Amino acid sequence: GENVEQHPSTLSVQEGDSAVIKCTYSDSASNYFPWYKQELGKGPQLIIDIRSNVGEKKDQRIAVTLNKTAKHFSLHITETQPEDSAVYFCAAMGGADGLTFGKGTHLIIQP
Amino acid sequence: KAGVTQTPRYLIKTRGQQVTLSCSPISGHRSVSWYQQTPGQGLQFLFEYFSETQRNKGNFPGRFSGRQFSNSRSEMNVSTLELGDSALYLCASSSRTGRNEQFFGPGTRLTVL
Repeated sequence: GENVEQHPSTLSVQEGDSAVIKCTYSDSASNYFPWYKQELGKGPQLIIDIRSNVGEKKDQRIAVTLNKTAKHFSLHITETQPEDSAVYFCAAMGGADGLTFGKGTHLIIQP
Repeated sequence: KAGVTQTPRYLIKTRGQQVTLSCSPISGHRSVSWYQQTPGQGLQFLFEYFSETQRNKGNFPGRFSGRQFSNSRSEMNVSTLELGDSALYLCASSSRTGRNEQFFGPGTRLTVL
């Protein structure tokens, strides 16, 4: 089945700086890659996604890039704000196994 | 549009008991997936239901089961509870099965004593 690795597990950045979270996947059949943000006591919230026929997608301060050849995809958050502090999960969907998630990145925005 | 709702939000059970969790998807969505979230294993896929049929199943024992009703509401059941079943159980709603956006509910926090 699919296996998703996510790095780093914890990321601390100064407010206003950029944050980058990276994921790799194993199943070349995967073609849907969402990113979720989870705040304490809440369910994961879909923040952006990308499909394998696209190399990059942007939504305001958030962007995702996908390299199908290398089987990795990344989340970029620019001009970070205190409300960006949360746990972020990458995921991949391939075959019939539902979403396979990375272990999560705890993003800390330092004032 | 109302989001995904899950009931109950918190549940405490003892080993050997069984439990039923409920999920109401976003109006118009016909696919419901269930996930288990634990600190050790992270988020793991349990199963997906679409139009009252189980479409996919993750690598969990047969004690974990589910069903979906004609109004798309879904329930999951865990029988003979074990301490390791303590987790946040999340339900995700999607308009169709396959590689499509999934929207999560707030989860049910199950504690097994």
